[in-house]
Amino acid sequence: KAGVTQTPRYLIKTRGQQVTLSCSPISGHRSVSWYQQTPGQGLQFLFEYFSETQRNKGNFPGRFSGRQFSNSRSEMNVSTLELGDSALYLCASSPRDRTSNYGYTFGSGTRLTVV
Amino acid sequence: AQKVTQAQTEISVVEKEDVTLDCVYETRDTTYYLFWYKQPPSGELVFLIRRNSFDEQNEISGRYSWNFQKSTSSFNFTITASQVVDSAVYFCALSEAGNQGGKLIFGQGTELSVKP
Repeated sequence: KAGVTQTPRYLIKTRGQQVTLSCSPISGHRSVSWYQQTPGQGLQFLFEYFSETQRNKGNFPGRFSGRQFSNSRSEMNVSTLELGDSALYLCASSPRDRTSNYGYTFGSGTRLTVV
Repeated sequence: AQKVTQAQTEISVVEKEDVTLDCVYETRDTTYYLFWYKQPPSGELVFLIRRNSFDEQNEISGRYSWNFQKSTSSFNFTITASQVVDSAVYFCALSEAGNQGGKLIFGQGTELSVKP
């Protein structure tokens, strides 16, 4: 079956702009999580969505937001971009329900460069 | 607070050598999950193994094996007879059970270089 699809793969934006990244999870997976990966901070959790509701949130400013649609596809938005937002953004989908953890499948990521 | 420590930043071995990647974790939960992921240069995180806190059995999958010891809060990963294709960054991760389980806490990663 198809894996986790993230679009676009690469993106270059200017400081102050906003950006929207997209993630299509594996069919049947209702949980979608987002992570930011940078050389300095490593892999950091941004947020998780389950059945269109944000269930967990990491320690990121309000400029980072997301949403999930009824078909489980998710989007992540970053407003007022800063140079430090340059990173690889990874999306993960999971079949996990409210109580059990079945592991995560990651997409190939979107590499965002802010200039 | 939950934390994962991978003390080895980089490891370099020659092909066919065995190599062990260390992972130490901290959590106050009694139920939790541990993972290992591989990240090749393409960037995608590839799932290797998931282990829950109640299952301390060691696991072997081909050239890969994992040693989970709750007494030392460690979940180490060994590659036997390493190959050049094993070169990648390897991440150990921890998650809680229940509603907080959607959050993976990653270690800083160990970059493994296998030379021919």
